[in-house]
Amino acid sequence: DAGVIQSPRHEVTEMGQEVTLRCKPISGHNSLFWYRQTMMRGLELLIYFNNNVPIDDSGMPEDRFSAKMPNASFSTLKIQPSEPRDSAVYFCASSLADRVVGYTFGSGTRLTVV
Amino acid sequence: SQQGEEDPQALSIQEGENATMNCSYKTSINNLQWYRQNSGRGLVHLILIRSNEREKHSGRLRVTLDTSKKSSSLLITASRAADTASYFCATGDGRANQAGTALIFGKGTTLSVSS
Repeated sequence: DAGVIQSPRHEVTEMGQEVTLRCKPISGHNSLFWYRQTMMRGLELLIYFNNNVPIDDSGMPEDRFSAKMPNASFSTLKIQPSEPRDSAVYFCASSLADRVVGYTFGSGTRLTVV
Repeated sequence: SQQGEEDPQALSIQEGENATMNCSYKTSINNLQWYRQNSGRGLVHLILIRSNEREKHSGRLRVTLDTSKKSSSLLITASRAADTASYFCATGDGRANQAGTALIFGKGTTLSVSS
Protein backbone atom coordinates (compact mmCIF):
# COMPACT_ATOMS: atom_id res chain seq x y z
CA ASP A 1 0.00 0.00 0.00
CA ALA A 2 1.28 3.47 -0.87
CA GLY A 3 0.05 4.86 2.43
CA VAL A 4 -2.03 7.98 2.88
CA ILE A 5 -1.48 10.25 -0.10
CA GLN A 6 -1.86 14.00 0.13
CA SER A 7 -1.63 16.57 -2.61
CA PRO A 8 -0.20 19.01 -3.25
CA ARG A 9 2.89 18.79 -1.02
CA HIS A 10 3.33 22.54 -1.11
CA GLU A 11 0.87 25.30 -1.93
CA VAL A 12 1.55 29.01 -2.08
CA THR A 13 -1.45 31.21 -2.71
CA GLU A 14 -2.50 34.79 -2.37
CA MET A 15 -4.85 35.98 0.29
CA GLY A 16 -8.45 35.69 -0.84
CA GLN A 17 -7.90 32.76 -3.15
CA GLU A 18 -9.58 29.38 -2.79
CA VAL A 19 -7.37 26.50 -1.72
CA THR A 20 -8.23 22.81 -2.03
CA LEU A 21 -6.21 20.13 -0.29
CA ARG A 22 -6.66 16.49 -1.22
CA CYS A 23 -6.28 13.20 0.57
CA LYS A 24 -6.47 9.55 -0.42
CA PRO A 25 -6.68 7.28 2.64
CA ILE A 26 -5.35 3.75 2.91
CA SER A 27 -7.59 1.27 1.12
CA GLY A 28 -9.83 -0.45 3.65
CA HIS A 29 -9.60 2.29 6.26
CA ASN A 30 -13.02 3.72 7.00
CA SER A 31 -12.10 6.70 9.15
CA LEU A 32 -10.33 9.84 7.98
CA PHE A 33 -9.00 12.76 9.98
CA TRP A 34 -7.80 16.24 9.04
CA TYR A 35 -5.27 17.96 11.33
CA ARG A 36 -3.48 21.29 11.11
CA GLN A 37 0.00 21.85 12.55
CA THR A 38 1.56 25.19 13.48
CA MET A 39 4.41 26.09 15.79
CA MET A 40 2.12 28.11 18.02
CA ARG A 41 -0.81 25.71 18.35
CA GLY A 42 0.73 22.33 17.62
CA LEU A 43 -1.48 19.68 16.02
CA GLU A 44 -5.14 20.61 15.95
CA LEU A 45 -7.92 18.24 14.97
CA LEU A 46 -10.13 19.91 12.38
CA ILE A 47 -12.68 17.29 11.34
CA TYR A 48 -13.08 13.55 11.01
CA PHE A 49 -15.21 11.14 9.02
CA ASN A 50 -16.55 7.65 9.60
CA ASN A 51 -17.61 5.75 6.47
CA ASN A 52 -17.55 9.05 4.53
CA VAL A 53 -19.89 10.77 7.02
CA PRO A 54 -18.56 13.76 9.02
CA ILE A 55 -18.68 12.89 12.72
CA ASP A 56 -17.20 15.94 14.40
CA ASP A 57 -16.31 19.23 12.72
CA SER A 58 -16.06 21.28 15.89
CA GLY A 59 -12.39 21.87 15.22
CA MET A 60 -12.98 23.65 11.93
CA PRO A 61 -11.89 27.19 12.75
CA GLU A 62 -14.32 29.17 10.64
CA ASP A 63 -16.97 28.92 7.96
CA ARG A 64 -14.23 29.56 5.45
CA PHE A 65 -13.17 25.94 6.02
CA SER A 66 -15.12 23.03 4.59
CA ALA A 67 -14.37 19.34 4.11
CA LYS A 68 -15.98 16.62 2.08
CA MET A 69 -15.56 12.91 1.61
CA PRO A 70 -17.54 11.94 -1.50
CA ASN A 71 -16.32 8.33 -1.41
CA ALA A 72 -14.14 5.99 0.62
CA SER A 73 -11.00 6.82 -1.30
CA PHE A 74 -11.01 10.61 -1.45
CA SER A 75 -11.43 13.64 0.78
CA THR A 76 -10.93 17.37 0.29
CA LEU A 77 -10.35 20.25 2.65
CA LYS A 78 -11.23 23.61 1.16
CA ILE A 79 -10.45 27.09 2.41
CA GLN A 80 -12.33 29.93 0.77
CA PRO A 81 -11.23 32.67 1.00
CA SER A 82 -7.78 31.95 2.35
CA GLU A 83 -6.01 34.26 4.83
CA PRO A 84 -2.35 34.49 5.92
CA ARG A 85 -3.22 33.02 9.33
CA ASP A 86 -4.27 29.81 7.55
CA SER A 87 -0.61 29.16 6.74
CA ALA A 88 0.24 25.80 8.30
CA VAL A 89 0.94 22.18 7.49
CA TYR A 90 -2.29 20.25 6.96
CA PHE A 91 -2.22 16.50 7.61
CA CYS A 92 -4.65 13.82 6.67
CA ALA A 93 -4.71 10.51 8.56
CA SER A 94 -6.74 7.34 8.22
CA SER A 95 -7.59 4.43 10.47
CA LEU A 96 -10.18 1.78 11.21
CA ALA A 97 -13.22 3.44 12.78
CA ASP A 98 -14.17 0.70 15.20
CA ARG A 99 -10.76 -0.35 16.42
CA VAL A 100 -8.34 1.19 18.87
CA VAL A 101 -5.29 1.30 16.62
CA GLY A 102 -2.75 3.84 15.51
CA TYR A 103 -3.39 6.32 12.76
CA THR A 104 -1.52 6.40 9.46
CA PHE A 105 -0.60 9.93 8.47
CA GLY A 106 0.12 11.41 5.07
CA SER A 107 3.18 13.56 4.44
CA GLY A 108 1.16 16.73 4.72
CA THR A 109 0.50 19.82 2.62
CA ARG A 110 2.48 22.91 3.54
CA LEU A 111 0.20 25.88 2.84
CA THR A 112 1.54 29.40 2.65
CA VAL A 113 -0.92 32.25 2.16
CA VAL A 114 0.74 35.54 1.24
CA SER B 1 -7.99 22.01 23.20
CA GLN B 2 -5.05 19.69 23.73
CA GLN B 3 -5.15 16.81 26.13
CA GLY B 4 -1.56 15.69 26.46
CA GLU B 5 1.43 17.84 27.31
CA GLU B 6 4.95 16.57 26.72
CA ASP B 7 7.95 17.39 28.82
CA PRO B 8 10.63 18.49 28.16
CA GLN B 9 9.94 20.61 25.09
CA ALA B 10 13.44 19.90 23.81
CA LEU B 11 16.08 17.33 24.65
CA SER B 12 19.67 17.03 23.39
CA ILE B 13 21.74 13.93 24.04
CA GLN B 14 24.72 12.02 22.67
CA GLU B 15 24.45 8.82 20.70
CA GLY B 16 24.28 5.81 22.96
CA GLU B 17 22.55 7.66 25.79
CA ASN B 18 18.97 7.03 26.82
CA ALA B 19 16.24 9.58 26.16
CA THR B 20 13.18 9.93 28.36
CA MET B 21 10.14 11.98 27.43
CA ASN B 22 7.09 12.48 29.58
CA CYS B 23 3.45 13.11 28.84
CA SER B 24 0.81 14.34 31.24
CA TYR B 25 -2.90 14.41 30.50
CA LYS B 26 -5.99 15.72 32.22
CA THR B 27 -8.95 13.40 31.82
CA SER B 28 -9.53 9.65 31.96
CA ILE B 29 -8.24 7.65 29.03
CA ASN B 30 -8.58 4.11 27.76
CA ASN B 31 -5.33 4.21 25.84
CA LEU B 32 -2.39 6.47 25.07
CA GLN B 33 -0.29 6.47 21.92
CA TRP B 34 3.15 7.77 21.01
CA TYR B 35 4.13 9.06 17.58
CA ARG B 36 7.36 10.24 15.95
CA GLN B 37 7.67 13.01 13.39
CA ASN B 38 10.81 13.54 11.35
CA SER B 39 11.39 17.03 10.01
CA GLY B 40 9.10 17.77 7.09
CA ARG B 41 7.28 14.46 7.34
CA GLY B 42 4.03 13.08 8.69
CA LEU B 43 3.62 11.43 12.06
CA VAL B 44 4.45 7.77 12.45
CA HIS B 45 2.76 5.60 15.04
CA LEU B 46 5.22 4.05 17.49
CA ILE B 47 3.33 2.33 20.26
CA LEU B 48 -0.07 2.12 21.96
CA ILE B 49 -0.56 1.36 25.64
CA ARG B 50 -3.97 0.59 27.10
CA SER B 51 -5.17 1.91 30.45
CA ASN B 52 -4.94 -1.56 32.03
CA GLU B 53 -1.27 -1.86 31.06
CA ARG B 54 1.58 -0.37 33.04
CA GLU B 55 4.49 -0.97 30.70
CA LYS B 56 5.05 -1.91 27.09
CA HIS B 57 8.15 -2.55 25.00
CA SER B 58 8.86 -2.34 21.31
CA GLY B 59 12.49 -2.77 20.29
CA ARG B 60 14.45 0.06 21.93
CA LEU B 61 11.25 1.77 23.06
CA ARG B 62 9.76 1.41 26.50
CA VAL B 63 6.51 3.09 27.43
CA THR B 64 5.05 3.31 30.90
CA LEU B 65 1.62 4.49 31.96
CA ASP B 66 0.54 5.64 35.42
CA THR B 67 -3.18 6.33 35.32
CA SER B 68 -3.24 7.46 38.94
CA LYS B 69 -0.83 10.28 38.06
CA LYS B 70 -2.28 10.74 34.59
CA SER B 71 1.17 10.45 33.06
CA SER B 72 3.16 8.38 30.61
CA SER B 73 6.81 8.19 29.69
CA LEU B 74 8.63 7.13 26.55
CA LEU B 75 12.16 5.81 26.96
CA ILE B 76 14.43 5.34 23.97
CA THR B 77 17.46 3.28 24.92
CA ALA B 78 20.87 3.44 23.23
CA SER B 79 19.80 6.37 21.09
CA ARG B 80 21.06 6.88 17.53
CA ALA B 81 21.35 9.95 15.35
CA ALA B 82 18.40 8.57 13.36
CA ASP B 83 16.20 8.96 16.45
CA THR B 84 16.40 12.73 16.00
CA ALA B 85 12.77 13.77 15.61
CA SER B 86 9.79 15.19 17.47
CA TYR B 87 7.83 12.82 19.68
CA PHE B 88 4.16 13.26 20.48
CA CYS B 89 1.77 11.60 22.85
CA ALA B 90 -1.87 11.30 21.87
CA THR B 91 -4.98 10.57 23.92
CA GLY B 92 -8.56 9.77 23.02
CA ASP B 93 -9.27 6.19 22.03
CA GLY B 94 -8.89 7.01 18.37
CA ARG B 95 -12.09 5.44 17.15
CA ALA B 96 -14.16 7.54 14.78
CA ASN B 97 -17.46 5.90 15.70
CA GLN B 98 -20.12 7.13 18.13
CA ALA B 99 -18.44 5.40 21.05
CA GLY B 100 -15.02 6.85 20.46
CA THR B 101 -13.10 10.09 20.24
CA ALA B 102 -10.43 11.09 17.77
CA LEU B 103 -6.85 11.40 18.94
CA ILE B 104 -5.74 14.68 20.48
CA PHE B 105 -2.00 15.39 20.34
CA GLY B 106 0.33 17.29 22.62
CA LYS B 107 2.86 19.80 21.30
CA GLY B 108 5.67 17.28 21.37
CA THR B 109 9.23 16.89 22.56
CA THR B 110 12.00 17.67 20.07
CA LEU B 111 14.82 15.17 20.48
CA SER B 112 18.26 15.84 19.04
CA VAL B 113 20.80 13.03 19.10
CA SER B 114 24.33 13.98 18.16
CA SER B 115 27.04 11.59 17.07
